[in-house]
Amino acid sequence: AQTVTQSQPEMSVQEAETVTLSCTYDTSENNYYLFWYKQPPSRQMILVIRQEAYKQQNATENRFSVNFQKAAKSFSLKISDSQLGDTAMYFCAFAAYNQGGKLIFGQGTELSVKP
Amino acid sequence: DADVTQTPRNRITKTGKRIMLECSQTKGHDRMYWYRQDPGLGLRLIYYSFDVKDINKGEISDGYSVSRQAQAKFSLSLESAIPNQTALYFCATSGGLSRNNEQFFGPGTRLTVL
Repeated sequence: AQTVTQSQPEMSVQEAETVTLSCTYDTSENNYYLFWYKQPPSRQMILVIRQEAYKQQNATENRFSVNFQKAAKSFSLKISDSQLGDTAMYFCAFAAYNQGGKLIFGQGTELSVKP
Repeated sequence: DADVTQTPRNRITKTGKRIMLECSQTKGHDRMYWYRQDPGLGLRLIYYSFDVKDINKGEISDGYSVSRQAQAKFSLSLESAIPNQTALYFCATSGGLSRNNEQFFGPGTRLTVL
């Protein structure tokens, strides 16, 4: 069975600074996706970034980038130039190719961006 | 209009009552999912469906049942609600691997069982 672990329940960062959220996972699968989802106070789940395990290049989306270390089973999210609107709960999630797209979520990290 | 809708958005009910949460989507996806969110636990899968005739249990299906009335509709029922089913419930849809396995979430239903 796959597991996803986010070891930082809460983090804070000053506006305009950079913050990194950690995520580790455990799986015996070789083909899978990894995701970071953002949940602002509105509670809507919003996809931030996606990484396919076969791709060595780290995914980037504007101010958001990941550090994907497949051998170490690590998938951290870096937010650059943090903005007040980045304040949210962030979830790391895993989906194996051969398991119907089911998402396995981590426990979440609550990020506060301070002015 | 939202692609994935859930009704109701908030519901308070009493122990022992039957309750249904409804999900509709206009994305044309075959795959639909129900998740439950609890503080400190993230989201956990309750049930999922690949089409009207294909329904599967997830990680925490006990105490829940589902119905896939059509490609666009997937309902979650609590036959006899209990207080530890108080949680935030999300419906999600996906186009599968051909669409990068991205899941699109509804706005959530906050359920409180007294």
